[in-house]
Amino acid sequence: EVQLLESGGGLVQPGGSLRLSCAASGFTFSSYAMSWVRQAPGKGLEWVSAISGSGGSTYYADSVKGRFTISRDNSKNTLYLQMNSLRAEDTAVYYCAKYKDIVVVPAAIPLDYWGQGTLVTVSS
Amino acid sequence: SYVLTQPPSVSVAPGKTARITCGGNNIGSKSVHWYQQKPGQAPVLVIYYDSDRPSGIPERFSGSNSGNTATLTISRVEAGDEADYYCQVWDSSSDHEVFGGGTKLTVL
Repeated sequence: EVQLLESGGGLVQPGGSLRLSCAASGFTFSSYAMSWVRQAPGKGLEWVSAISGSGGSTYYADSVKGRFTISRDNSKNTLYLQMNSLRAEDTAVYYCAKYKDIVVVPAAIPLDYWGQGTLVTVSS
Repeated sequence: SYVLTQPPSVSVAPGKTARITCGGNNIGSKSVHWYQQKPGQAPVLVIYYDSDRPSGIPERFSGSNSGNTATLTISRVEAGDEADYYCQVWDSSSDHEVFGGGTKLTVL
C-alpha cells in the first residue's frame, strides 16, 4: 500500500525557514517523480515544485523559485522541501504527491497518491 | 502562463448529471487530470489522461476533452459526490503544473 507521510510543518516568522519531509513507502521510491502542492486556507490547489526520480531535474512555481528547494534522498525514501525567506502568503497545507507513471520528466503525468498534508503558518 | 478556468460552483439534484468544465487555450491538445477533494481530506485522482478512470472510482465518473474545454461528467449524482473538483494540466511552455481554480459541487 502506497503511503506518503508529511512532517515538518509549524509556525514560523516571516523571513524564516522550514524544511518539510515526506516519508514514502509501498512503492519503489527512486523510480517515481514527486511533487509538492499547497493549499492556502479556504483556497484552491497550487502546484509548488516537482522533482524527477533521480533528483536530477527539478521544477518550481514562479511564486517560490529562488526561495524553495526540492530534493530527495532515495536511500531514505524521503522527499524534502526546504523553504527559505518565508512570507505570509506561503501559509498553507503542503501536500506531497506521487506521479502515477515512471517517466524521466513528469510532464502531463497525473498525481495518483497524496499525503494528508502538513500545515505551515507564516506569522509574527 | 497557462490558465485553467473552472466555474466556482455547480449544483445538481441527486440522480441527475453534473458537468464541470475546465477551460483553457487549446486544452484539447493537453492531457487533463481531475481531482476530487472533500473537506479536510487530501485530493483524490478521479479521472486522468482526459477520460481514464483509476481503479475504485465509480463508472459514474467520466471525462472528455476537446477544443478549449475539458469536462468532468458525474452521472447519477449521489450525496457523497459533494466535494471540490480540480482540473490539472502540464504547461510545457513553462514546465509547470497548472491547476484550475476548483469547482464546488453541491448536491441539492
